[in-house]
Amino acid sequence: GAGVSQSPSNKVTEKGKDVELRCDPISGHTALYWYRQSLGQGLEFLIYFQGNSAPDKSGLPSDRFSAERTGGSVSTLTIQRTQQEDSAVYLCASSSRRERTDTQYFGPGTRLTVL
Amino acid sequence: LAKTTQPISMDSYEGQEVNITCSHNNIATNDYITWYQQFPSQGPRFIIQGYKTKVTNEVASLFIPADRKSSTLSLPRVSLSDTAVYYCLVGSSGSARQLTFGSGTQLTVLP
Repeated sequence: GAGVSQSPSNKVTEKGKDVELRCDPISGHTALYWYRQSLGQGLEFLIYFQGNSAPDKSGLPSDRFSAERTGGSVSTLTIQRTQQEDSAVYLCASSSRRERTDTQYFGPGTRLTVL
Repeated sequence: LAKTTQPISMDSYEGQEVNITCSHNNIATNDYITWYQQFPSQGPRFIIQGYKTKVTNEVASLFIPADRKSSTLSLPRVSLSDTAVYYCLVGSSGSARQLTFGSGTQLTVLP
């Protein structure tokens, strides 16, 4: 079946502009995660959605970052007034609570470059 | 939140068995241990998961001692295509804060 998809695959923007990154999780997966990965680094947790519960936003680095998940499916990560340090690959993953141990399935990521 | 510690890098040769150990001293009773593999320019991919003793699938084996304070990912007869970063995660179902991947272990398989 279809995996997690993300768009765009690459995004180049100018400092100070807003960007929106999209994630389409696997159909039926109730949990959705956003991560950030800087070059050569591990994954940094950003935000977690689980069903209709309030999202866990504890990983968002600043109030310029926000995310929403509409209808329990598609999610959008928004970065306002982008800074050069926001340049990274943004990864989305989804999982199913029916899989007891919440194996995460990752998308290919969006590479964001802030000039 | 269970913190994990892994070697930064490892080198191996084709055809050898590779063992990557992860330390997780404060693992909780409900926590599972999951390993992911990440190739350049791709998202991480699930390899194997276990709770205790030994788990084996078509790709790897996972050895977990009785105290569960560490785990060892074993890759049999590696090939050049196994060159990747390997991450160890510890957490329980529904726990968002399990999501500390750390820097992982860069495995380089040499010809």
